[in-house]
Amino acid sequence: NAGVTQTPKFQVLKTGQSMTLQCAQDMNHEYMSWYRQDPGMGLRLIHYSVGAGITDQGEVPNGYNVSRSTTEDFPLRLLSAAPSQTSVYFCASKQTGDSYNEQFFGPGTRLTVL
Amino acid sequence: EDQVTQSPEALRLQEGESSSLNCSYTVSGLRGLFWYRQDPGKGPEFLFTLYSAGEEKEKERLKATLTKKESFLHITAPKPEDSATYLCAVQAPDSWGKLQFGAGTQVVVTP
Repeated sequence: NAGVTQTPKFQVLKTGQSMTLQCAQDMNHEYMSWYRQDPGMGLRLIHYSVGAGITDQGEVPNGYNVSRSTTEDFPLRLLSAAPSQTSVYFCASKQTGDSYNEQFFGPGTRLTVL
Repeated sequence: EDQVTQSPEALRLQEGESSSLNCSYTVSGLRGLFWYRQDPGKGPEFLFTLYSAGEEKEKERLKATLTKKESFLHITAPKPEDSATYLCAVQAPDSWGKLQFGAGTQVVVTP
């Protein structure tokens, strides 16, 4: 049982480039989410999904796209990278969206945009 | 707007020196308050969930408590391996899993 996995661990992009951050979970969780973590600001929600085919925006969605074609995977796409998107990105999952149980986080992807 | 504030920002303790971290929140109708531990370069690791005022949870040297306005994470007789950043997050009613995080408290325990 690997839990929540993320790839890559590190990535450097140039302004304007696009890329996809991968996230997968093997716990059969319906709910998955993406957060970014910046110094002194805490984690902020980018997008979330309550099940395959259903996604919605979080607090800071601009510049990011998501889709959820399977229960296991929830990729995050940066359409045209900007220096302001330099951050550490965490994917998380939990059993269902309408519950108040804990979320499990992946190890993170550290992204630098030059 | 819902807010979560953690204090202090950083805490330096001697091994064995007990202390408390604070998490204050303005969410009305709180449905869950979560404590996570985060080591450098790692993702947050779940510690506790508290659901209602008066609730307490314990795990080894850590004890979390909850009132209507704030939560405390008490560290009793800490060891160097308790060094980490401790994050607090709240979930409001009908929020579909959306967590509002505080900025965290960085704890360093020296031998």
